Amino acid sequence: DAGVIQSPRHEVTEMGQEVTLRCKPISGHNSLFWYRQTMMRGLELLIYFNNNVPIDDSGMPEDRFSAKMPNASFSTLKIQPSEPRDSAVYFCASNRAGNEKLFFGSGTQLSVL
Amino acid sequence: AQSVTQLDSQVPVFEEAPVELRCNYSSSVSVYLFWYVQYPNQGLQLLLKYLSGSTLVKGINGFEAEFNKSQTSFHLRKPSVHISDTAEYFCAVSDRNFNKFYFGSGTKLNVKP
Repeated sequence: DAGVIQSPRHEVTEMGQEVTLRCKPISGHNSLFWYRQTMMRGLELLIYFNNNVPIDDSGMPEDRFSAKMPNASFSTLKIQPSEPRDSAVYFCASNRAGNEKLFFGSGTQLSVL
Repeated sequence: AQSVTQLDSQVPVFEEAPVELRCNYSSSVSVYLFWYVQYPNQGLQLLLKYLSGSTLVKGINGFEAEFNKSQTSFHLRKPSVHISDTAEYFCAVSDRNFNKFYFGSGTKLNVKP
């Protein structure tokens, strides 16, 4: 099993640019989570999907953030326009709905200059 | 709503010494409890979990944790640490359906020779 795959591994962009982060969950997993990790706030849940449907997006910080899951094997997290305070590591995680173990990707290190 | 507090942001310890990483949680409903470990430049991995039964749970790499309902705590312990245990450790809670996982801010364990 390839595990949860995130791309890109690193992203450096300038303020105001659009950023798209990608995630491929483990095959057969039907829940997907997006987390943001910063020194100040730790690991924050941004949004989670169940069977490709967004269930709870209360953690999404602003309207500049949006997430989609067009099918069971792909999800995106988009920031438009990006700001320096968005700099963080963004993790995607997946599990089988109702299963207690989360599987994390290696994360995307985002730097907004 | 659930929340997790990890009081210690960093814990330095010498190799072969015992260690305890503290975790307290708050919740209006019954929850499940977890510890995850994050090695440098990697995603989080499940270390151990408490779902039910014995309040003392054992995980990988010689770690164990004890669930204390009256004190709403789930402290992580290891009797003798190794250099390879240097990592960041996250305490987490989830609802009974494993729909949402909330993480603490993390504790960086630094094992010195």
